[in-house]
Amino acid sequence: SSELTQDPAVSVALGQTVRITCQGDSVRKYYANWYQQKPGQAPILVSYGQKSRPSGIPDRFSGSNSGNTASLTITGVQAEDEADYYCNSRDSSGNHLVFGGGTKLTVL
Amino acid sequence: QVQLVESGGGVVQPGRSLRLSCSASGFSFSSYAMHWVRQAPGMGLEWVALISYDGINSYYADSVKGRFTISRDNSQNILSLHMNNIRPEDTAVYYCVKDQRPLMFGGVLPDWGQGSLVTVSS
Repeated sequence: SSELTQDPAVSVALGQTVRITCQGDSVRKYYANWYQQKPGQAPILVSYGQKSRPSGIPDRFSGSNSGNTASLTITGVQAEDEADYYCNSRDSSGNHLVFGGGTKLTVL
Repeated sequence: QVQLVESGGGVVQPGRSLRLSCSASGFSFSSYAMHWVRQAPGMGLEWVALISYDGINSYYADSVKGRFTISRDNSQNILSLHMNNIRPEDTAVYYCVKDQRPLMFGGVLPDWGQGSLVTVSS
């Protein structure tokens, strides 16, 4: 299996733009997907594949992949975006999933 | 509307067994791969196991391989996780999760249950 590495915490001022990153060898082969989780709630998919968003997810959320790094960019951060964010992808074997350790986003 | 409802969690002693179930509705259950994902208290998400849409193929995280078994009953729309020789480190909320793509395993997880808490304690 492979690992995905995320910064444990990131902070951003209200209305600004923030990029959350996810690094790992598996991202070279498989697109990363991004999940938002608020306290006491199940995760929600906010970005997947090559720049795709589920219906109902605001367009300020945007995912991208380059080399061994996947990124989730939130443009014009809102207070309600304060949450934990996790990336995931298939691992190098293709038959397992792996999650990053998560990034706690604080909105100042 | 996709609904995934887990049940079967609770307090269990180390070394014992427990079975989690997930009742699925609102979609063609027999067409989708399903996963279990867990989250220990205050920790991140950990993928546990995957079963193909037809139940033929299953895969496990190294941390549970040989102890946990994922299964499904497509006639009843039920996903199960049989947990044997449970350890304290298995304490977590266990989520039942639907894969995005029918008839394939893609690893995109758009639909999650609310989770079932398993606490391993003597």
